Amino acid sequence: GAVVSQHPSWVICKSGTSVKIECRSLDFQATTMFWYRQFPKQSLMLMATSNEGSKATYEQGVEKDKFLINHASLTLSTLTVTSAHPEDSSFYICSARGDVNQPQHFGDGTRLSIL
Amino acid sequence: DAKTTQPNSMESNEEEPVHLPCNHSTISGTDYIHWYRQLPSQGPEYVIHGLTSNVNNRMASLAIAEDRKSSTLILHRATLRDAAVYYCILRPTSGTYKYIFGTGTRLKVLA
Repeated sequence: GAVVSQHPSWVICKSGTSVKIECRSLDFQATTMFWYRQFPKQSLMLMATSNEGSKATYEQGVEKDKFLINHASLTLSTLTVTSAHPEDSSFYICSARGDVNQPQHFGDGTRLSIL
Repeated sequence: DAKTTQPNSMESNEEEPVHLPCNHSTISGTDYIHWYRQLPSQGPEYVIHGLTSNVNNRMASLAIAEDRKSSTLILHRATLRDAAVYYCILRPTSGTYKYIFGTGTRLKVLA
């Protein structure tokens, strides 16, 4: 149980385009979803927290207009990287949690490469 | 946010037990201790969590110090598949309950 699916697994696109990443909880209802970014050889850095039906809460230093998060249902959250540039290239990982007392369950990540 | 300190790397021989330490001297009374591991190019995988008492599951055991300022993840018989980065995380019980990842311990298992 507690499976989180992330799509796509990897994406390569040109600078200036926007990229959407989906995160789905397959077998539970995710009240809260989290988005992380991980650069090579580094740890995960929390970008934002989203609760279903509410606006996302962004961590300090993360541009909310650059990284658009939508959590419209209890099983789906999306992260859109707008007008992506090479410095946005990274490994993006989502996680989902049902009840607040439950651990987070992570997707397998999306490797984004901007040319 | 409470911080955790872990050794950067450890090595173990296959089939032997592994004890992965974590220091969290600023832990608050209601913070849960969570452990995850991350294989290359994958998202973190939940391993175990606890509050005060030692915990066991099919993957590992978690030993928590009496003063809760440290904990140890125990893999009873390391296999090559256990090679990963192991993260010890303190999860608060208020606010967003968010995780703050430290640098983790990179475990190398020798055949």
